[in-house]
Amino acid sequence: DIVMTQSPDSLAVSLGERATINCKSSQSVLYSSNNKNYLAWYQQKPGQPPKLLIYWASTRESGVPDRFSGSGSGTDFTLTISSLQAEDVAVYYCQQYYSIPPVYTFGQGTKLEIK
Amino acid sequence: QVQLQESGPGLVKPSETLSLICAVSGYSISSAYYWGWIRQPPGKGLEWIGSIYHSGSTYYNPSLKSRVTISADTSKNQFSLKLSSVTAADTAVYYCARSPTYYYDNSGYYQPLYFDYWGQGTLVTVSS
Repeated sequence: DIVMTQSPDSLAVSLGERATINCKSSQSVLYSSNNKNYLAWYQQKPGQPPKLLIYWASTRESGVPDRFSGSGSGTDFTLTISSLQAEDVAVYYCQQYYSIPPVYTFGQGTKLEIK
Repeated sequence: QVQLQESGPGLVKPSETLSLICAVSGYSISSAYYWGWIRQPPGKGLEWIGSIYHSGSTYYNPSLKSRVTISADTSKNQFSLKLSSVTAADTAVYYCARSPTYYYDNSGYYQPLYFDYWGQGTLVTVSS
């Protein structure tokens, strides 16, 4: 199975500042034939289901604020929140969907708080 | 608007079978999407359990495969999860979710992708 490792486990950032969360996969999730990275990011607030933020590593889901952006390729990926808002306090997860047959795995999560 | 709603017993005894249903509204499960189950033990991370296509094609997490069955009822627009021989380690919030697919035209294969719509989740506790 592809193992997803996020860093850090927790992060405290001041309002209006940049937050950066990293995700590393144990093998590449870049499919060479279509040049797509099979990597998604989710946001989960307490008592709620995860919400899709980013897919194909850098495509923002409809309705997601543009302060959220995804980058990276191959095995190393980053979720960036350009200017932290109070409503961004949550746990963030990365997920790979590269495996065929599908064996989908998530990172362990990164808890984002206000400093 | 796609909506998913999990239902089933909130308490299951050890060694018994956990059974949940996900009712889908606003979208047909007979469309080109996969429909999956994901669980989250209290205070922990997310674990994919398995996914199903309306044709009956299923994929399961190898760590749970021997105990899991996912099926779909297109006439009721719902799909279900059965997890047998449960233990306390199966205590979790269980989510159902929808996955868009990517079509590989050289093989005719539809690959399930990320999860774009989720149910609110249902807590299942395994205890005697």
